[in-house]
Amino acid sequence: DVKVTQSSRYLVKRTGEKVFLECVQDMDHENMFWYRQDPGLGLRLIYFSYDVKMKEKGDIPEGYSVSREKKERFSLILESASTNQTSMYLCASSFFRAGRSAQYFGPGTRLTVL
Amino acid sequence: SQQGEEDPQALSIQEGENATMNCSYKTSINNLQWYRQNSGRGLVHLILIRSNEREKHSGRLRVTLDTSKKSSSLLITASRAADTASYFCATALDTGRRALTFGSGTRLQVQP
Repeated sequence: DVKVTQSSRYLVKRTGEKVFLECVQDMDHENMFWYRQDPGLGLRLIYFSYDVKMKEKGDIPEGYSVSREKKERFSLILESASTNQTSMYLCASSFFRAGRSAQYFGPGTRLTVL
Repeated sequence: SQQGEEDPQALSIQEGENATMNCSYKTSINNLQWYRQNSGRGLVHLILIRSNEREKHSGRLRVTLDTSKKSSSLLITASRAADTASYFCATALDTGRRALTFGSGTRLQVQP
């Protein structure tokens, strides 16, 4: 079975802190994604990566950056956390030709920024 | 704006009844996918239907796709309390954009 793990289930940070969310997948997937999920807004894509060191902005990249140094690991970075970044963050991965195959999701990280 | 929009936003039924959820989208797609999310958890892929397919089955799930109306429906037959979850449709555009676009979901409550 595909396994996507995220570093924390719950995280509480203070405004202005630098926050790292990590995601690891064990199926050698080319594509990895970061979404945020807010009530009534569904999932919104922040960034995705289709290869090591390759990334592409999603729909809401402002205030975020990403890093993919190894194929199995995709990190989301909040350079200076703000209260409007309080949300559920979901990582996903998929095979080559993203969009043409299923995405596999991690359990999510619920981030609260105080 | 959202590419996929689910309808209804919430649905409450009794165990054993069928549940139907609908999804509408705006632009040409390569495929449409349905996902389930249990409360506070990640999403689980249920089924993928390609733009040249009209109907697909998987166990108690039946998905239809009408590209002329830009809509899809997910039918869960003989629902169980364990089907209680949020259900999302996601579209893969025909433009080759790599990422999926998710709707805001339907919350399904199955009463035992």
